[in-house]
Amino acid sequence: EVQLLESGGGSVQPGGSLRLSCAASGFTFSSYAMSWVRQAPGKGLEWVSAISGSDGSTHYADSVKGRFTISRDISKNTLYLQMNSLRAEDTAVYYCAKDRSGGWGALHFDYWGQGTLVTVSS
Amino acid sequence: QSALTQPASVSGSPGQSITISCTGTSSDVGGYNYVSWYQHHPGKAPKLMIYDVSNRPSGVSNRFSGSKSGNTASLTISGLQAEDEADYYCSSYTSSSTLVFGGGTKLTVL
Repeated sequence: EVQLLESGGGSVQPGGSLRLSCAASGFTFSSYAMSWVRQAPGKGLEWVSAISGSDGSTHYADSVKGRFTISRDISKNTLYLQMNSLRAEDTAVYYCAKDRSGGWGALHFDYWGQGTLVTVSS
Repeated sequence: QSALTQPASVSGSPGQSITISCTGTSSDVGGYNYVSWYQHHPGKAPKLMIYDVSNRPSGVSNRFSGSKSGNTASLTISGLQAEDEADYYCSSYTSSSTLVFGGGTKLTVL
């Protein structure tokens, strides 16, 4: 059974940093692209970042480029999102999501975690 | 990258059919057959309902169907049921190797 479990959320002041983790199980983690998707309070879903399952290449939304870094530890089956220079508008529930296709696909997500809340406020 | 355009809300009675539209550009919806649709009940993880424009994952009811014409994709739900009441989001792969979501549509089953 595929499971994705996020952790690391919490409250942080503007300009601060936070690292999110997503522990994956039930599938060959190294073979699939993984993404972070967020939902701000009362807003819709927003794709944040993805890492390719084939070559580990990374991709970012313009809103987080240069501030957030996605990475993975294949030995630990864990996905990370390092978030720096956080802003109030980064406040959201952050989900990790598994791509349906192996390698680098169309970014369609067949499994999602339950999410972790990040609050950026002074 | 601007969000794809969806109606804010749609409604229908049990047993009826509804269609949710999702409009983008030639750089996303119109340029790739990589449109997906998600059902999201508040407080739960989103669920993939349609991928690659019109394909249903295993376990998803055949009451859900997807299509695309030009820069606009559509999700149709037939035989509406109370459990279908949720938020629905479209998404599309883009020419920048990124993903863009629609703003979301709240479906109300009357």
